[in-house]
Amino acid sequence: DTGVSQDPRHKITKRGQNVTFRCDPISEHNRLYWYRQTLGQGPEFLTYFQNEAQLEKSRLLSDRFSAERPKGSFSTLEIQRTEQGDSAMYLCASSPRTGEGTNEKLFFGSGTQLSVL
Amino acid sequence: KQEVTQIPAALSVPEGENLVLNCSFTDSAIYNLQWFRQDPGKGLTSLLLIQSSQREQTSGRLNASLDKSSGRSTLYIAASQPGDSATYLCAVWMDSSYKLIFGSGTRLLVRP
Repeated sequence: DTGVSQDPRHKITKRGQNVTFRCDPISEHNRLYWYRQTLGQGPEFLTYFQNEAQLEKSRLLSDRFSAERPKGSFSTLEIQRTEQGDSAMYLCASSPRTGEGTNEKLFFGSGTQLSVL
Repeated sequence: KQEVTQIPAALSVPEGENLVLNCSFTDSAIYNLQWFRQDPGKGLTSLLLIQSSQREQTSGRLNASLDKSSGRSTLYIAASQPGDSATYLCAVWMDSSYKLIFGSGTRLLVRP
C-alpha cells in the first residue's frame, strides 16, 4: 500500500492556459474522488468515479473542467482556459468498495496546489 | 442543502490540556460522520469514522461522539501534545450520495 499519489505537487500557470493533474489511487481501490480546497475552507466535492464510470459531478465542475479514469486505474483532471479563481489545492482520494456507504473511508493524496497568475 | 459548521475556527491551548472540537450539521440523513486531520500544505488523514447507527468511536487519545438527531458531533482530544497541532475537519457522508461534505475546520495549536 503506497498511498494515493498525485502529480505534480505544485503547478503555476498563466491565465488562459490548460493544465492537467494526475492521480494514482491505492491499487485495487475502485472508487476515486476529486475535491477542491481553497485556503481556510474544507474540501469541496468535484466528481466521483467507480472504476471507469463517472457517476457523479458537482455543479462546481464547469465546462472547462473534465475528468477521466480510463481503464479504472489512474485518473486525470484537466482544466481548460484557467482563471484566477481556479487557484486552489486539488485533492484526490480513493476507497475500496465496501458494498455500503456506512463504512466508507477515504484515503487522500497530498494534493496538487494550482496557482493561476 | 447540507451545511457543516465547525466551532471554534481556531484554538490555542497549552500542552497537556484536554480539549473538545465541535461540529454541527443541518441534515440528519447521513450515512456516517468522519473526522480528518490536515497538516499545512498536505492531504487529509482519516482519524475516526462514526456510522449513523453509532454513538461514539475511540482511537488512542481521540474520542468522537455523534448525536444524529440533534446534528452534532464532538472530537475530544485527551492530554494534548504539540504534535497534535493541525487543522481538524469534520465531514458527513450524505445518504443516497457519493460525497463527503466538509466543514471549514478548526485550526489547533498546542503550545509546548
